[in-house]
Amino acid sequence: EVQLQQSGAELVKPGASVKLSCKTSGYTFSNYYMSWLKQMPGQNIEWIGNIYGGNGGTGYNQKFKGKATLTVDKSSSTAYMDLSSLTSEDSAVYFCATGSLFAYWGQGTLVTVSS
Amino acid sequence: DVVMTQTPVSLSVSLGGQVSISCRSSQSLVHNNGNTYLSWYLQKPGQSPQLLIYKVSNRFSGISDRFSGSGSGTDFTLKISRVEPDDLGVYYCGQGTQYPLTFGSGTKLEIK
Repeated sequence: EVQLQQSGAELVKPGASVKLSCKTSGYTFSNYYMSWLKQMPGQNIEWIGNIYGGNGGTGYNQKFKGKATLTVDKSSSTAYMDLSSLTSEDSAVYFCATGSLFAYWGQGTLVTVSS
Repeated sequence: DVVMTQTPVSLSVSLGGQVSISCRSSQSLVHNNGNTYLSWYLQKPGQSPQLLIYKVSNRFSGISDRFSGSGSGTDFTLKISRVEPDDLGVYYCGQGTQYPLTFGSGTKLEIK
């Protein structure tokens, strides 16, 4: 069974950075891309970018370049996303999801940016 | 970016009824390889989205045949027949043909 377990909710101050994780099991991590997506409360879903589990190759939505940095740790089948220079506009639920079909999703991580 | 436009924004249906949701893209979703990467997702209240349909009309593993997808080019439709209580939530279409990947703004399905 494919499972994506995301890290817990974060409360961070404006200007700070945060690193989210997505630990996977049940499939060969290095053979697939992992995407990250953003959903603000009551809003649409935005694709942030993706990273290939095999070699860490990345692709980003231009909107999130400089905001998000994607990495992987193949040894633990875990994907990470760093979000930097956080503002209130970054307060959202962030999901990881497999491939470009988004066949499997993590449960989401709520990031709240507040002083 | 490819803009995905869904209609209606919301709809209400009786149990056992049938509904259709429309999704239009601002550009053709036919990829250079001949495939059309249009998917449908359901986000139930308080949950992550789940994949229902991929490449226009292919049901994902475990998805009921009450869900069906159709369309081509820029116009696509999701049909839900014999609506059940568990079908409520927000339905999104999404395209995987052109980067950045984009989604429609969602259609909220309510049960009468």
